[in-house]
Amino acid sequence: SYVLTQPPSVSVAPGKTARITCGGNNIGSKSVHWYQQKPGQAPVLVIYYDSDRPSGIPERFSGSNSGNTATLTISRVEAGDEADYYCQVWDSNSDHLSYVFGTGTKVTVL
Amino acid sequence: EVQLVESGGGLVQPGGSLRLSCAASGFTFSSYEMNWVRQAPGKGLEWVSYISSSGSTIYYADSVKGRFTISRDNAKNSLYLQMNSLRAEDTAVYYCARRYGSGSGPLDYWGQGTLVTVSS
Repeated sequence: SYVLTQPPSVSVAPGKTARITCGGNNIGSKSVHWYQQKPGQAPVLVIYYDSDRPSGIPERFSGSNSGNTATLTISRVEAGDEADYYCQVWDSNSDHLSYVFGTGTKVTVL
Repeated sequence: EVQLVESGGGLVQPGGSLRLSCAASGFTFSSYEMNWVRQAPGKGLEWVSYISSSGSTIYYADSVKGRFTISRDNAKNSLYLQMNSLRAEDTAVYYCARRYGSGSGPLDYWGQGTLVTVSS
């Protein structure tokens, strides 16, 4: 089955830039979506189809996808960005179809 | 406003059964594909099951195949997950989530989740 690998944690100072990677075999050929999850809350979609932002998501959130790595970038990080972030793809290449989530990255604002 | 509200969670013994429901409102439920996603305590997100808008196409994660059954009632704007032969490792918060678009679309709206605890 398809595997998505994320760093367990990323630490960033307020006002700086956080980059969260999502590694997968030829992930650049797939559409990648990113979710933010704060403690005790449901996930929220922050980036879809690699780089599109849903309405209401700040422009500080951006995404890219190429080769074997997709990246979520959070610019001008704020305290409110502290959360877990998950990448996700729809795997239609294995012997059965499924959604696949990354392992998750905890973003800590210093 | 799109709303998804799960219910039916609780404490169940290993080997037992439980039926989760998800009540949808604020959108044309019959036009959207739906999913169940779960999250074990302190762990990451795990996709559980998918159902097409008409209910004719269904997929399951290997971890629940043969034990869980997803279904929907478009007349009642409701999604269901029948869980049988429950195991301790099924303990998790279960979310229903709407799929945006088709093909490889994201899960654009999620419910708040319902907790299922499998324990003796």
